[in-house]
Amino acid sequence: QAVVTQEPSLTVSPGGTVTLTCGSSTGAVTSGHYPYWLQQKPGQAPRTLIYDTSIKYSWTPARFSGSLLGGKAALTLSGAQPEDEADYYCLLSYSDTRRVFGGGTRLTVL
Amino acid sequence: EVQLVESGGGLVQPGGSLRLSCAASGFSFSNHWMHWVRQAPGKGLVWVSRINNPGSGTVYADSVNGRFTISRDNVKNTLYLQMNSLRAEDTAVYFCATIGSVDYWGQGALVTVSS
Repeated sequence: QAVVTQEPSLTVSPGGTVTLTCGSSTGAVTSGHYPYWLQQKPGQAPRTLIYDTSIKYSWTPARFSGSLLGGKAALTLSGAQPEDEADYYCLLSYSDTRRVFGGGTRLTVL
Repeated sequence: EVQLVESGGGLVQPGGSLRLSCAASGFSFSNHWMHWVRQAPGKGLVWVSRINNPGSGTVYADSVNGRFTISRDNVKNTLYLQMNSLRAEDTAVYFCATIGSVDYWGQGALVTVSS
């Protein structure tokens, strides 16, 4: 089973920009992995922000964007707000249609 | 209003069995693949299993393959997870979810495996 890697923690200043990345042990992450990005705040169920690399839901703030960057999936937050402090998980799909989550990135807005 | 409500969690001894249910309402349950995701206390999300629309196709994470069985009843709008041969490391909150272009999650059911 593949291993999906994320930065364990990142810090961003209010109003700043930060990029979270998501790599795969099997090689480059491509659009064929249909990358998802999920946000989870303490005591809450997760909520997906981005699917299929870069597509947003109606509830996804415009300051979040998804892309592929240097063989990885990336989630960029531009103009961080205090309410963006949370755990962020990427989820990749593999050819056998299994999914694998990354270990998560704890984002601090400070 | 869309709802996914998990039930059936609780305390079970190692080696025991438990069946989780996820009751869906407010959307076309039979049109969506469904997933189970778990989260051990203080840990990250782990994908467990998924089932296709008619229920004929299932896939599992290596850690539960052969012990867990996912199923669905599209008449009752309910998703299930039968968990056998439970281990301490299966202790987690279990979420049901759609995970796709339509994104719905339940609030989770706690399963504790302990003697």
